[in-house]
Amino acid sequence: DGGITQSPKYLFRKEGQNVTLSCEQNLNHDAMYWYRQDPGQGLRLIYYSQIVNDFQKGDIAEGYSVSREKKESFPLTVTSAQKNPTAFYLCASSRRFQETQYFGPGTRLLVL
Amino acid sequence: GDSVTQMEGPVTLSEEAFLTINCTYTATGYPSLFWYVQYPGEGLQLLLKATKADDKGSNKGFEATYRKETTSFHLEKGSVQVSDSAVYFCALSDRDDYKLSFGAGTTVTVRA
Repeated sequence: DGGITQSPKYLFRKEGQNVTLSCEQNLNHDAMYWYRQDPGQGLRLIYYSQIVNDFQKGDIAEGYSVSREKKESFPLTVTSAQKNPTAFYLCASSRRFQETQYFGPGTRLLVL
Repeated sequence: GDSVTQMEGPVTLSEEAFLTINCTYTATGYPSLFWYVQYPGEGLQLLLKATKADDKGSNKGFEATYRKETTSFHLEKGSVQVSDSAVYFCALSDRDDYKLSFGAGTTVTVRA
């Protein structure tokens, strides 16, 4: 089955710790995206990648980092600089940049 | 900048009732419009889309028509089921931009 997988489903972070959220797609999509969802709000764009080895900041990139070394993978690291990391994180991909985006199941990050 | 405004929820309906969720947008260009649905604890699923004025998107009994004159993309379903209980997000993607702009989401609960 083609699709987007995110792991883990739940992730706990201690103070001062960096954590990495995984996003993998086997749709052969060029573009990938990371969004953050807070309760009662829409999604906000953290980072996006148009193509492998390229990525750009979105609206709320501070405290986050990404890499795009492989076409199918776009991991997101939540660094200790992100002071309010508790949220639901959603990864998406599209066949080409600016085309329809499809979403993974999400990772819920909680701070201990 | 681009923005999307959705009617506030929550919305509670009985089975077989008619559902309407209002969505209006502000965009400088000619955006594509989307409705995504999020079931409890899951990621977003594309429900339907429309890419130009007067287009009607439809899927699973849901419909929405792209109205440029009223800058609206209201979601409708004639007879809802309990399984339609979810959060519905209206979104737009401007052809000159890369990102999806989301509304805040509308929570719909359908009671048997």
